[in-house]
Amino acid sequence: GAVVSQHPSWVICKSGTSVKIECRSLDFQATTMFWYRQFPKQSLMLMATSNEGSKATYEQGVEKDKFLINHASLTLSTLTVTSAHPEDSSFYICSAREGRGTYNEQFFGPGTRLTVL
Amino acid sequence: AQSVTQPDIHITVSEGASLELRCNYSYGATPYLFWYVQSPGQGLQLLLKYFSGDTLVQGIKGFEAEFKRSQSSFNLRKPSVHWSDAAEYFCAVGNNDMRFGAGTRLTVKP
Repeated sequence: GAVVSQHPSWVICKSGTSVKIECRSLDFQATTMFWYRQFPKQSLMLMATSNEGSKATYEQGVEKDKFLINHASLTLSTLTVTSAHPEDSSFYICSAREGRGTYNEQFFGPGTRLTVL
Repeated sequence: AQSVTQPDIHITVSEGASLELRCNYSYGATPYLFWYVQSPGQGLQLLLKYFSGDTLVQGIKGFEAEFKRSQSSFNLRKPSVHWSDAAEYFCAVGNNDMRFGAGTRLTVKP
């Protein structure tokens, strides 16, 4: 089956630093990748959608300058949390979809837990 | 705007008992509906999905869900729960901009 990996699985950083999270589709080409954020015991909230080679589309309320998304290849998307602060601590989950058709299933990565001290 | 409501935050059932998790959605067109399961520290696993066709959808691990347009519901069911089913369950709608419900935490009593 389709596998999506995320790296790192967890990261602790100091306030003010930047953190990069990678999302890779291991056995398929992900034309579209999605980034979600999940607070403890809460649901997933879509942050942004990225299509390979295009700028990401951010959901309302998500700061694009703070959460930089790059989708430069068909197997890799990165989320960089710039100047991280404790309120950015969360569980970040990516998903990847082959093709742009809405019938194509999204495959989810295992998530990255970010803790900002 | 599309949205999903899972009315039950936490459900406890005995092992072997039947299970129904509720999901109601709001969507302007034909909805794409999903049920995912998330175990602690794990990613989301797709249990089943509905795009069109037969309104009773069979999924993995013995789960099924029924799409009822008149009730805007997509409830998840399992006839006999196993201890390993204890997890968080999310209903979701849409596929380009997927919206998740708040989740239902399932506890299974021995």
